Amino acid sequence: AQSVTQLDSQVPVFEEAPVELRCNYSSSVSVYLFWYVQYPNQGLQLLLKYLSGSTLVKGINGFEAEFNKSQTSFHLRKPSVHISDTAEYFCAVSGGDDKIIFGKGTRLHILP
Amino acid sequence: DTAVSQTPKYLVTQMGNDKSIKCEQNLGHDTMYWYKQDSKKFLKIMFSYNNKELIINETVPNRFSPKSPDKAHLNLHINSLELGDSAVYFCASSPALSVHGYTFGSGTRLTVV
Repeated sequence: AQSVTQLDSQVPVFEEAPVELRCNYSSSVSVYLFWYVQYPNQGLQLLLKYLSGSTLVKGINGFEAEFNKSQTSFHLRKPSVHISDTAEYFCAVSGGDDKIIFGKGTRLHILP
Repeated sequence: DTAVSQTPKYLVTQMGNDKSIKCEQNLGHDTMYWYKQDSKKFLKIMFSYNNKELIINETVPNRFSPKSPDKAHLNLHINSLELGDSAVYFCASSPALSVHGYTFGSGTRLTVV
C-alpha cells in the first residue's frame, strides 16, 4: 500500500521569496508521484507528475519537484512566489493501479 | 468546454433527504472517480469506475451509491443524508491508468442541516 506525508500543514513565505513544500511517500511497489494545487473554492489542478526518467520534474506556474528515491521524497519548489500562488498544495502517490492517494495538504500563505 | 463538470455546485439539504450529484467528462477517459474532501481538506477516495464497471469501493456507508450509465458519466446518489455527510465531493477522471493523473471537476459543496 502507498501513503503520503506532507510534513507541513501551513507554510508562510514572503512574496518573491523561494519556497519548498515537503512530501515523503512510502510504497512497496514502483511509484508515480504528483503535485496538485487547489485554489480557494476550486477543484484540484495537476501541477506536475513524476512517472520515470529525470528526477527533476518541471510543472506549470514555475514549480518544479525532485524525486529522491533514497530519501523517499518528492519536494515541491519555486524560486520566487507570487501572491497568486496562495493555495492548498497536495502531494499524491499512485502504485499504478486505479487509485491515487493524497496527502493532507499544505496551505501556502504568501505574505506581502 | 469544461472537461469534467459536476452539478450542482452547491447543495443544501435537510437530514434524512435523498440527493444526487451528477458528473460528466468529455475527455474520452475510461476511468472516473468520486472523492470526498472534509472540512480539513483531507481527500479520500470513495469509488472508481472503469468503463462502467465498479473498480474501487472504499469503506463508504451503503447509503452512498454510484451509478455509471456510460463511461462519460458517473453519478453519486446519497440516501438518508446525515450531518457528517457535509463535505465537498469531487468527481475526477483519468485515462485507463491513474499514472497519468486525474482531471478534477470543480466540486459540489454539500451541506446537510
